[in-house]
Order: sequence, then C-alpha cells, then structure tokens
Amino acid sequence: DAKTTQPNSMESNEEEPVHLPCNHSTISGTDYIHWYRQLPSQGPEYVIHGLTSNVNNRMASLAIAEDRKSSTLILHRATLRDAAVYYCIRFNSNSGYALNFGKGTSLLVTP
Amino acid sequence: NAGVTQTPKFRVLKTGQSMTLLCAQDMNHEYMYWYRQDPGMGLRLIHYSVGEGTTAKGEVPDGYNVSRLKKQNFLLGLESAAPSQTSVYFCASSPLGGAGGIDTQYFGPGTRLTVL
Repeated sequence: DAKTTQPNSMESNEEEPVHLPCNHSTISGTDYIHWYRQLPSQGPEYVIHGLTSNVNNRMASLAIAEDRKSSTLILHRATLRDAAVYYCIRFNSNSGYALNFGKGTSLLVTP
Repeated sequence: NAGVTQTPKFRVLKTGQSMTLLCAQDMNHEYMYWYRQDPGMGLRLIHYSVGEGTTAKGEVPDGYNVSRLKKQNFLLGLESAAPSQTSVYFCASSPLGGAGGIDTQYFGPGTRLTVL
C-alpha cells in the first residue's frame, strides 16, 4: 500500500509559516518522500523530496520524523501564490513509473 | 527552455470522434507519461514511454493509444471518444524513470477535454 494520509484542507495567513503534515506509517526503508503541488488550472509542480534527513531548497523545507512514519512540508513565508493542492507521495524504484498523487491538502492563503 | 508543452489547451468532441493530443519536451528526457485527472480523484497514469520508439500501458490504458516516434514528442490518441473520457490530461517527462525513487517528473499545463 503506497498511500499517504494528509488533511483535506488547511488555511494560513500571508507571510506566516505553514506546516503541511503527511502520515506514511507503512513506509519502507527504500521509499523516498516527494512533495508536489498543483496551482489552480496548472499541472503539478515538484517541490522537494527526501529519504531520512531534513531537506531544504529554495521553495520549501522537508522535515522527516526520525521513525520516518510522518513528514512535514514547511513553507517559511506563505504568499498568495502558494495557494495550491499539496501532494505527499511515497516513491521508490519499485513504485513503477506512476506517481500516486492521492487527494492532497488544499492550502488556502488569506491576505 | 519551454519545458513541457501540450496542445491543444481545450477541446470539445462528440461521442465517436477521434483526436490526438500532442506533448513536447525540450529537456532531452528519456521518460514521458500521460496522466488523466478527474474531479475528486488523483492523477492516474494512462500510458508511458521509456524511450524513443517505446510505449507501455499504465493504470487506465483502455480507449487510448500512444506513439513516441521522436524523443521529444509523446502523442496520445483517442480513436472513438466516449463521455467517460471527459477529463483533464497531463503530460509529464522525467530524466531517470523513477530510478531509486529520486526521479522528478515535470508536467505540462494540461489539456481540458470534453466529450459530449
């Protein structure tokens, strides 16, 4: 089962940090955690991925729990442009080629 | 560098008509994919290609055909459109094909297809 669990929706104020949680309690040792986001009327966009250690890039940070059963995507200062559906995806070389997007978390950012 | 482009952006078909969706990428990626996205559901893989001249079935291939005659292009065909094929279609490409779980897929803007 390659499923992850995310809240259906979250809300944040502009310029505040946002922590988007993801539960993946059945994760295997070779599963990477990938995050994509989909802005309204656009295709999905890669955000970040990691295996065990916390990861940072220009878009976001990814914090992975020590037992790897959960992770958190952190947007340090939300902007209106960050309003999107965020998908947490487990992915490894045995996953085949399809990314299992699930339903994701719809993030609303208010001014 | 345009990334992944799709044409057309919108299309309305009548049941039984045929059409071809074109996907093009300028990143020299080996792997290309076609997904569909329906309301309330995630993206589902229709077909994919691991290189020029190759194609393979994904999760929901019925009613669709694909071709990859050139590395940069991946075509999705509907031979006889049905209302159940009303959806948003996304093309994607990637350099590594999921190798080791570290691959990244790059998506196009989508084609919104309505079949009446």
